[in-house]
Parts: sequence; structure tokens; C-alpha cells
Amino acid sequence: ETVLTQSPATLSLSPGERATLSCRASQSIKNYLAWYQQKPGQAPRLLIYDAFNRATGIPARFSGSGSGTDFTLTISSLEPEDFAVYYCQQRDNWLWTFGQGTKVEIK
Amino acid sequence: QLQLQESGPGLVKSSETLSLTCSVSGGSIPSSYYFGWIRQPPGKGLEWIANIYYTGSTYYNPSLRSRVTISLDTSKNQFSLEVSSVTASDTALYYCASGISGWLWNWGRGALVTVSS
Repeated sequence: ETVLTQSPATLSLSPGERATLSCRASQSIKNYLAWYQQKPGQAPRLLIYDAFNRATGIPARFSGSGSGTDFTLTISSLEPEDFAVYYCQQRDNWLWTFGQGTKVEIK
Repeated sequence: QLQLQESGPGLVKSSETLSLTCSVSGGSIPSSYYFGWIRQPPGKGLEWIANIYYTGSTYYNPSLRSRVTISLDTSKNQFSLEVSSVTASDTALYYCASGISGWLWNWGRGALVTVSS
């Protein structure tokens, strides 16, 4: 079973700042990684799939990178609506797992 | 764009079986799609439970495998989840979701299930 570890647990930033979120896999998952955003009271929303592809309608300020075991989600300039919890997910051999989440909060 | 909607009892007694159904609307169940169940205990993160491919192939979280069954009924445009021998730790918001290649493009709003003693 592939374990995903996200860091940091909480990121305190101001609007306009750059956010860098990390997701590390316990074994190589090639580029089989996605990122989701979840706001309070809402279902998660797909942001990035296959490590770096933006989902339909996702703004260009969101970007994903990495392969193998180390992955990064970058938000180039935080907008007020970007403060939320972010999860990574892998699908190696169709057994999915999620990371424990990173909360991006307003500083 | 598919729309998903979870349905089922909001309260289940300890040791009994939790049953949920996800109704898919906005089109017939597409080929090459995966359908899955994910849960979120109150105030906690996401936990994958199981998923099923449109062909019927199933995949389970190893930690839950012995108690979980996922099924797909393409004629009714729905898929279902059963979790047996539930305990308080199974109390959670249960989401159904779907997408291509294992990425979850479409999500339901979630169904809160509480296990009572």
C-alpha cells in the first residue's frame, strides 16, 4: 500500500503570496498523482491530475510538478478563494490513497 | 458532466450493515470510468474505501476489505456500497465520486452516516 505524506500540515500565508505544498509517496508512483481542493461544507474538487495537468476550469495560478515519490502543488499568487484544505491522491495499481491534507489559512 | 447523489440511512446501529447508493444522472454510465466511495470522519481527512471499474472490476482499501462490498448496476445508472459490522469509527460523511483513469472529476455532496450504539 502506498502511503502519501503531505507537508506542511498548515500553511499560513497572505493573499498574493506564493504557496508551495508537498506530497511524498512511500514508493514510486510514476506520475499517478492528483491534487484536490476542499472548502468547508463542500465536496473536494479536482485541480491537477497526472501530476501536472490542470483539470477543466482550473486557473493557471495552480500548477503541479514532480514524479516518482516527490510532488508539489504551487499556487503562484493566492486569491481569497484559495484558502482551503488541499489533498493529494494516488492511483497506483488502482488502489487509491489520499494524503492527510494541508490547510492553507490566512495569515 | 455527470451529477452524483448519495442516498441511504443516516443512522445505523452498531454491528449492523451500512448501505449506500449513488445515483448517476446527466448521461448513461460511461465506459472507461471508475466509480468510488470515499469517506471523511468529522473534522478529519479523506479515506478511500473502494472503487469499481465500468467492467465490474473491484478494488478495496486493504484495511476495510473484509467488511466492504462495492457494486455497479449500469441498467439503473447507480453504484452501491455496503459496510458490514459497523462501529462508531465508521461514522463519517460518505462521498461517491467518479472519473476517468482513477481521477475523481465528479463528486456527490456527501451523505452523513452516524453509527449508534
